[in-house]
Amino acid sequence: QKEVEQDPGPLSVPEGAIVSLNCTYSNSAFQYFMWYRQYSRKGPELLMYTYSSGNKEDGRFTAQVDKSSKYISLFIRDSQPSDSATYLCAMSRDDKIIFGKGTRLHILP
Amino acid sequence: EPEVTQTPSHQVTQMGQEVILRCVPISNHLYFYWYRQILGQKVEFLVSFYNNEISEKSEIFDDQFSVERPDGSNFTLKIRSTKLEDSAMYFCASRPGNNSPLHFGNGTRLTVT
Repeated sequence: QKEVEQDPGPLSVPEGAIVSLNCTYSNSAFQYFMWYRQYSRKGPELLMYTYSSGNKEDGRFTAQVDKSSKYISLFIRDSQPSDSATYLCAMSRDDKIIFGKGTRLHILP
Repeated sequence: EPEVTQTPSHQVTQMGQEVILRCVPISNHLYFYWYRQILGQKVEFLVSFYNNEISEKSEIFDDQFSVERPDGSNFTLKIRSTKLEDSAMYFCASRPGNNSPLHFGNGTRLTVT
């Protein structure tokens, strides 16, 4: 079983919809959880960073962590065409950060 | 806002040649990383560097790869004898502490012909 699993998509949703992106993981040693957004030919850009189980909100973005189920989510409200990108989940253990494959998201105008 | 900068943005080299990819991490950061992303694939960990030494490396980071922090600002990745399969985007990243998120540069696209 891979350490971090993420559906690569693509996921297409209409503008204004709520988007739900998810990752599962197998190693309970992961302590910190991040979501990055990556536009084509650019470096990953940090969106959200969280440690504990529960929800963390920042503007239109909500990150959710469920450590008991080893499951994390990113919700995007009122999605915009500019949100079209690849979204990467990432998890930290020891000195290493492991990334999911990334989900390609298309917001349709 | 301070950022990680990488040069060059694109490097073309012939198979067997040595390349050096350069990075300037954010100035107060202490942990430095290199990641690789082959076109259309996931971001893969190569190596982490702290306190002037490698703290962890992946199976990809074999004897052909080396990293160096030659002065107080630069962080370099050297590939001694490039192979076709080394063609990828190489991202440098840094963070201030062990429990902080990574901040990435915009990458160097390496093309090996």
